Amino acid sequence: GAGVSQTPSNKVTEKGKYVELRCDPISGHTALYWYRQSLGQGPEFLIYFQGTGAADDSGLPNDRFFAVRPEGSVSTLKIQRTERGDSAVYLCASSLRLAGGPGGEQFFGPGTRLTVL
Amino acid sequence: QKEVEQNSGPLSVPEGAIASLNCTYSDRGSQSFFWYRQYSGKSPELIMFIYSNGDKEDGRFTAQLNKASQYVSLLIRDSQPSDSATYLCAVTYTGANSKLTFGKGITLSVRP
Repeated sequence: GAGVSQTPSNKVTEKGKYVELRCDPISGHTALYWYRQSLGQGPEFLIYFQGTGAADDSGLPNDRFFAVRPEGSVSTLKIQRTERGDSAVYLCASSLRLAGGPGGEQFFGPGTRLTVL
Repeated sequence: QKEVEQNSGPLSVPEGAIASLNCTYSDRGSQSFFWYRQYSGKSPELIMFIYSNGDKEDGRFTAQLNKASQYVSLLIRDSQPSDSATYLCAVTYTGANSKLTFGKGITLSVRP
């Protein structure tokens, strides 16, 4: 079946611009997660949703970052006033149910490589 | 600060050998443990998960969990050049059961 999809695959923007990154989870998966990964590091948690609500946004670095999941499926990560330090690969993952036990295994999409010039 | 440590690496083994990858974690109450494989330029791919102490085998892969010593390892038997990748250990922590905390990864190279 189809996996997690993310668009765009690459995004180049200028400092100060606004960007939106989209994630379409595996069909039937209720939990959706955003991570970002810098070169040579493991993914770093940003936010996760259970259904439509953000259950934990403790990983968002500041208030320039915001994410929504209005219908409990597709999610959009929004970054305002982008900075060069925001350059990274933004990864989305989904799981059948919340992690912490069977069914909570997270499957990642291909990622969006964001470059802020 | 909750930490996941993958300090050994890079690791190089000959084709057909057993590759042993280790990971330690700081929170004794951690519940779920995962190994992801990441090829260069690609996203992480889940290859093993384990929730209980002991061994779990899946094909050429075995995950070993020792909660008393707070380590989880991945063994790859009959290593193949296609196993050459970065292996990421990830843990869910007590009270934050749904977010993964990752180590930095170990790069494995399998020599033909």
